[in-house]
Amino acid sequence: QKEVEQNSGPLSVPEGAIASLNCTYSDRGSQSFFWYRQYSGKSPELIMFIYSNGDKEDGRFTAQLNKASQYVSLLIRDSQPSDSATYLCAVSGNTGKLIFGQGTTLQVKP
Amino acid sequence: EAQVTQNPRYLITVTGKKLTVTCSQNMNHEYMSWYRQDPGLGLRQIYYSMNVEVTDKGDVPEGYKVSRKEKRNFPLILESPSPNQTSLYFCASSLLGFSNTEAFFGQGTRLTVV
Repeated sequence: QKEVEQNSGPLSVPEGAIASLNCTYSDRGSQSFFWYRQYSGKSPELIMFIYSNGDKEDGRFTAQLNKASQYVSLLIRDSQPSDSATYLCAVSGNTGKLIFGQGTTLQVKP
Repeated sequence: EAQVTQNPRYLITVTGKKLTVTCSQNMNHEYMSWYRQDPGLGLRQIYYSMNVEVTDKGDVPEGYKVSRKEKRNFPLILESPSPNQTSLYFCASSLLGFSNTEAFFGQGTRLTVV
């Protein structure tokens, strides 16, 4: 079992819809959770981080964390073609190291 | 402008020919790290450094070396590259550690070993 798992996709949504990206992790002691966005041919950049159970909102983005079920998700409301990218989930476990999932490719179609 | 700079961006080399990929950051960050990114495997950590002269292995350190003689620089050295080291490499820096604060990534170096 991979430490951090994501569906590689592609996830295709129409413009204006809500895109839901999911990530599960295996280390119950994980404490910090990050979502990075990576455009094709570019480097990853941080979108959001979340430490506590529940929802955290930032503009069109909402991160959701459920430690009991060991999953973290990212919702993108009013999806735009410019949101088309690969979204990387990263989790920090007991070791303090940051473990990345393989990423989910999102395609937003006009 | 705050940034992490890697060089070169693209490199094609032959098996066994030593190479160095440079990485420099101008944000006075304590932490620096090297990752490789391969299709279906995501970003995997090669080595990281918590401060000058302090380095440690990541998840895939075999075949790589690093050094941290100055705070801003963290070069990645491949003493004898092999084709399985063909990959996209990213250098990253972080103020207080990658598990606590944002990681800033360089532009990436696409390495091909033939």
